[in-house]
Amino acid sequence: DAGITQSPRHKVTETGTPVTLRCHQTENHRYMYWYRQDPGHGLRLIHYSYGVKDTDKGEVSDGYSVSRSKTEDFLLTLESATSSQTSVYFCATTGGNGSPLHFGNGTRLTVT
Amino acid sequence: GDSVTQMEGPVTLSEEAFLTINCTYTATGYPSLFWYVQYPGEGLQLLLKATKADDKGSNKGFEATYRKETTSFHLEKGSVQVSDSAVYFCALSDTLTGANSKLTFGKGITLSVRP
Repeated sequence: DAGITQSPRHKVTETGTPVTLRCHQTENHRYMYWYRQDPGHGLRLIHYSYGVKDTDKGEVSDGYSVSRSKTEDFLLTLESATSSQTSVYFCATTGGNGSPLHFGNGTRLTVT
Repeated sequence: GDSVTQMEGPVTLSEEAFLTINCTYTATGYPSLFWYVQYPGEGLQLLLKATKADDKGSNKGFEATYRKETTSFHLEKGSVQVSDSAVYFCALSDTLTGANSKLTFGKGITLSVRP
């Protein structure tokens, strides 16, 4: 395994509150990604990073922001959580050059 | 844009049955193709991959062949086991993009294998 830790593993929050999810990796991988998994949609890319302080939007980025101040940490922030953001969030990393993605075990977020 | 289409699920099989899970794709250029597996409560794991036309990926008894002429990457296994029960995702990586390994996933299909 690539040593990916997501925290928290579970979170329940109220609509309108800010939420930050953390992804920590120990493999010194350059590329990091945040996906959300929803029934009937598979995995959809939210944001990704190709280096420290270098990030870009994925296909479902509205309502989310990210930051990467260190190689090992990639934070996903919901500035004002909505019920539509109830989902399972996965972090993934890769060293690049065609090597496969390695996934964390996910964070289950419920927005009430 | 790129897309991946998987057959509708769920799929329920008896142990030792033959498995086929269909996957077709739409992409510009020459994508790499992947199958990922997700066991309950876990993240996705790479099962197998193929990087060019006619390549066959294989792992743990599963196989898939990259068919450019039919834009398909169907997953097969000759004899499934209860331990194969999981969610299976087909995915592609557009090798033309600068962001390495930015994958597009299908919706996934749940496989349940009965003893």
